[in-house]
Amino acid sequence: EDKVVQSPLSLVVHEGDTVTLNCSYEVTNFRSLLWYKQEKKAPTFLFMLTSSGIEKKSGRLSSILDKKELSSILNITATQTGDSAIYLCAVGESGAGSYQLTFGKGTKLSVIP
Amino acid sequence: NAGVTQTPKFQVLKTGQSMTLQCAQDMNHNSMYWYRQDPGMGLRLIYYSASEGTTDKGEVPNGYNVSRLNKREFSLRLESAAPSQTSVYFCASSRQAHTEAFFGQGTRLTVV
Repeated sequence: EDKVVQSPLSLVVHEGDTVTLNCSYEVTNFRSLLWYKQEKKAPTFLFMLTSSGIEKKSGRLSSILDKKELSSILNITATQTGDSAIYLCAVGESGAGSYQLTFGKGTKLSVIP
Repeated sequence: NAGVTQTPKFQVLKTGQSMTLQCAQDMNHNSMYWYRQDPGMGLRLIYYSASEGTTDKGEVPNGYNVSRLNKREFSLRLESAAPSQTSVYFCASSRQAHTEAFFGQGTRLTVV
C-alpha cells in the first residue's frame, strides 16, 4: 500500500483557472511534507510544511497541511502555461535513527491557452 | 552554484555489465539520496545516507550498492545491470535528514 497518494493523477485546465492538487499520507513518524515541481528534468523545491509551519504561500502558489486529516493541498491560482508540469508530494518520516523521504506518483498538470 | 552534480547524464549498458553513477554536492549537506524514476511510479528511494559514514536501504535497494565516500560524494553502483534497471536516476541532498532535498539533473540509464 502506498504511503503517499496524490490526486488527481492528471489534470487539464485553461489558463486563468484555479487548481487544487491533493496529497494524502500514512506514515508512522511524520516529520515534514514537501511539494516539488518537475518539468523536463530534476524536481525543484516549492514548499516544506511541518507541524510548526502548516501554511506556505509564494506568489500564485500556496499550500496547507492538515495534520488531523493527514493530507495537504497545493493551490495554484490564475494558472499559466508555464505551470504545466508534474507536481510531486513527498513525506518525510523518521524512526530508529533513520529518515526517509517518500514520494507520491505525482499529478501531471497541463495548462492550455 | 553547482548544487548537486551527477555523472554521466546518459548511459547505455549491456545486460550483466557494471557501472557506477557519481554524485557530488557542494552545499555542505549532511544527507544524500539516490532515487529512480519510472513512468507512472513516481520517485522511489533506492538508498540514502543520513550523514557521512552511514547508509541505509530505501524502498528498492535490490541490485544496487552505494558508497558515501565523504561528505560531498555519494555513488551508486550497479554490479550486474538488468533491463529492469532501465530508468532515470536522481541524486539528491539535504541539509538535514528532514529538510528540503535538492536534486541533480538525472542520469538516463538504458540496459539492453
